[in-house]
Amino acid sequence: QITLKESGPTLVKPTQTLTLTCTFSGFSLSTSEVGVGWIRQPPGKALEWLALIYWDDDKRYSPSLKSRLTITKDTSKNQVVLTMTNMDPVDTATYYCAHIRSRAGYNQGFDYWGQGTLVTVSS
Amino acid sequence: DMQLTQSPSFLSASVGDRVTITCRASQGISSYLAWYQQKPGKAPKLLIYAASTLQSGVPSRFSGSGSGTEFTLTISSLQPEDFATYYCQQLNSYLALTFGGGTKVEIK
Repeated sequence: QITLKESGPTLVKPTQTLTLTCTFSGFSLSTSEVGVGWIRQPPGKALEWLALIYWDDDKRYSPSLKSRLTITKDTSKNQVVLTMTNMDPVDTATYYCAHIRSRAGYNQGFDYWGQGTLVTVSS
Repeated sequence: DMQLTQSPSFLSASVGDRVTITCRASQGISSYLAWYQQKPGKAPKLLIYAASTLQSGVPSRFSGSGSGTEFTLTISSLQPEDFATYYCQQLNSYLALTFGGGTKVEIK
């Protein structure tokens, strides 16, 4: 049974760095063809993909946010960490982490999601 | 930049209706497309990947088609539990894994 759960601050101040942790179970990020991604959703708005890390440490970032994002994994702890620098009120959103399979280089969609964590950016 | 445009952004339908949602990509993405369903306050649920492959456990009234730049999600007979917002997402990892803007399906 695959589960994921996001954790981190619920409130950050403008210009601060946000660090979110995704703790998962039911799979290993050392298993080939597995990845974990981050997606966010501002209140009442659409989903936005942020970053993805694969089992082989290959990393992908949203081009529009690439300069502010870093994604890393700790296989021994079953965790993926996302950092986002220079937070702004427009970054207020629910942040989700999600599991993805990639078969023969073909992503198969985010099939398991965490419950999401609301992060508010305000002074 | 990769963009996905969904249409319509909102639709009103009745139980039993056949519903079609379109997703257009700004560049060709072969069959690298997924569809998700999201209900208020919940995480999205994967319905379809590879444009037309039904995710395990998803009812067969959902189907997907298309390739290149134009894709459709069809619900053959809308059920009460299908009222939700639907998103497409491109899955080619050499491009941004962009989501579409969403289509909200409401009860007529």
